[in-house]
Amino acid sequence: AQSVAQPEDQVNVAEGNPLTVKCTYSVSGNPYLFWYVQYPNRGLQFLLKYITGDNLVKGSYGFEAEFNKSQTSFHLKKPSALVSDSALYFCAVRDYLSGTYKYIFGTGTRLKVLA
Amino acid sequence: SAVISQKPSRDICQRGTSLTIQCQVDSQVTMMFWYRQQPGQSLTLIATANQGSEATYESGFVIDKFPISRPNLTFSTLTVSNMSPEDSSIYLCSVEGQGRAGELFFGEGSRLTVL
Repeated sequence: AQSVAQPEDQVNVAEGNPLTVKCTYSVSGNPYLFWYVQYPNRGLQFLLKYITGDNLVKGSYGFEAEFNKSQTSFHLKKPSALVSDSALYFCAVRDYLSGTYKYIFGTGTRLKVLA
Repeated sequence: SAVISQKPSRDICQRGTSLTIQCQVDSQVTMMFWYRQQPGQSLTLIATANQGSEATYESGFVIDKFPISRPNLTFSTLTVSNMSPEDSSIYLCSVEGQGRAGELFFGEGSRLTVL
């Protein structure tokens, strides 16, 4: 079965600095990888996805992620963090099995951007 | 995109009772996913519900405890049966966006507290 791992429970970064939220994956075949964000007291929102093509994918709110096959990673990045980026971030993978599929989420990383 | 309405948004329930959560989508979708999330924690997939077929449950979740209905392409219900305090959680309904392969949309969630 496919899975993703987020090794950091929390990431702290100063406003204006670049941020990285890490995700590694374990899949058979070609991975479908995703990032979601959950702001306090709000539902989850899709940020970006990698299915095929360019290894660097761009998403909402200035976020991007780099797919690295050799390192089996899909880290989320942003060149300059904002305080409003403080939220819970989830990496996810689509697991395809027996003609159907489902989405498996990582444990989440809490991003705290300090003013 | 897809707009998802979940009811109830929150409820306080007595041990041993059952509660049904409704999920209404503003467009027709093939697959609906039910997740459980402890506040600030990761999402755990309960089951996948396809219209016209039995729901597919994940390991650790059974139909007797979490019966699901999927009467049409825009609606589903999840019942939490014979509740105990361990069932206190946020329950989320999710669908894949039309023409947005791999992008999940989530309801605001149903926060259940079992006393």
